[in-house]
Amino acid sequence: AQKITQTQPGMFVQEKEAVTLDCTYDTSDQSYGLFWYKQPSSGEMIFLIYQGSYDEQNATEGRYSLNFQKARKSANLVISASQLGDSAMYFCAMREGAGANSKLTFGKGITLSVRP
Amino acid sequence: SAVISQKPSRDICQRGTSLTIQCQVDSQVTMMFWYRQQPGQSLTLIATANQGSEATYESGFVIDKFPISRPNLTFSTLTVSNMSPEDSSIYLCSVEGRGPADTQYFGPGTRLTVL
Repeated sequence: AQKITQTQPGMFVQEKEAVTLDCTYDTSDQSYGLFWYKQPSSGEMIFLIYQGSYDEQNATEGRYSLNFQKARKSANLVISASQLGDSAMYFCAMREGAGANSKLTFGKGITLSVRP
Repeated sequence: SAVISQKPSRDICQRGTSLTIQCQVDSQVTMMFWYRQQPGQSLTLIATANQGSEATYESGFVIDKFPISRPNLTFSTLTVSNMSPEDSSIYLCSVEGRGPADTQYFGPGTRLTVL
């Protein structure tokens, strides 16, 4: 089974509106971390936001927030007040456990296009 | 977060040749990671490079094809050997920074095209 699932096809959003990018995950570990990265067409990977499995509150970073539903194993990214510069690929990733054997596993990504 | 640079930023190479990609970090880090992103795909971890020891390769990646050097705590190289068109990818290095839960921060990537 895939550890990170991102099934949405290309997403479109109107500038200044909010958009939710879906991510579900699969793990039997109690301790894990969930990450979202943005990859513009230039290719760099930009860290956006992190949610720990033990965090009781949803993470927020500026216009980014993470809708963490642990029982449903989902960690959806919400981008508020979309901007043209938000057009990019968005990857959800998970890190299970800790230490040297802990690796980052990425989903397939979602393409977001912001319309003016 | 650490400042990470990669060289070259992009290259076009002939099949059968090799390319060495450099990754430089502005601070000392224990582990450096090398990823491959094939066109339209997600990131796949190639190997983890610790200073002073052999790199640890993931399933499907071997040292003969992707030799890695880690001569000090701020620098690493990845060589893509005997290239074929299937090696056309973005290659990214990353390090664990000061973010939460050892967040990985990525370099700008090297976009490789093999003809």
